[in-house]
Amino acid sequence: NAGVTQTPKFQVLKTGQSMTLQCAQDMNHEYMSWYRQDPGMGLRLIHYSVGAGITDQGEVPNGYNVSRSTTEDFPLRLLSAAPSQTSVYFCASSSYSPPYEQYFGPGTRLTVT
Amino acid sequence: KNEVEQSPQNLTAQEGEFITINCSYSVGISALHWLQQHPGGGIVSLFMLSSGKKKHGRLIATINIQEKHSSLHITASHPRDSAVYICAVDVQFYFGTGTSLTVIP
Repeated sequence: NAGVTQTPKFQVLKTGQSMTLQCAQDMNHEYMSWYRQDPGMGLRLIHYSVGAGITDQGEVPNGYNVSRSTTEDFPLRLLSAAPSQTSVYFCASSSYSPPYEQYFGPGTRLTVT
Repeated sequence: KNEVEQSPQNLTAQEGEFITINCSYSVGISALHWLQQHPGGGIVSLFMLSSGKKKHGRLIATINIQEKHSSLHITASHPRDSAVYICAVDVQFYFGTGTSLTVIP
């Protein structure tokens, strides 16, 4: 099992550019989520999905879109990058039934200039 | 408003010391998670608990559901324990801001 994979690991964007952060898991988990981590703020939930075809907003969804066409994949799209989106992004997955153990991807460090 | 509060924010210990990190939460939960994030960024799950106490090696996690409080203990701390420890609650995951632990040889 690869667990949760994320690509790319590092990315630099110019303001206004768009891009997609990829996330995939091979554990057949129903629940997948995207977080951003900023200094002093802890991890904050951007979007989540409880299954293929179902997505919902988290705490900080503005400027991001997601889709879940398969159980395995949960890409995060930045529509028009802004410097405020400079952050480290983590994708995670878990079973949506107990014991809820969550597995994290290695993270993507994004810089928007 | 922060649903999960951790203390202390930063902690420096001498090798061998007993360490306690605390987590208080204000929401109803199904489970509480302790996560570890090493320099370099990867996050791993240490414990998931909904009652009582769990132990893995030198790490012990306890939870008091009535008081909405959990503690993570590290016995005989070692420099390799230096990391950020994060408390998180429930499936949609409210996170604490983390406790940065440095263990000095």
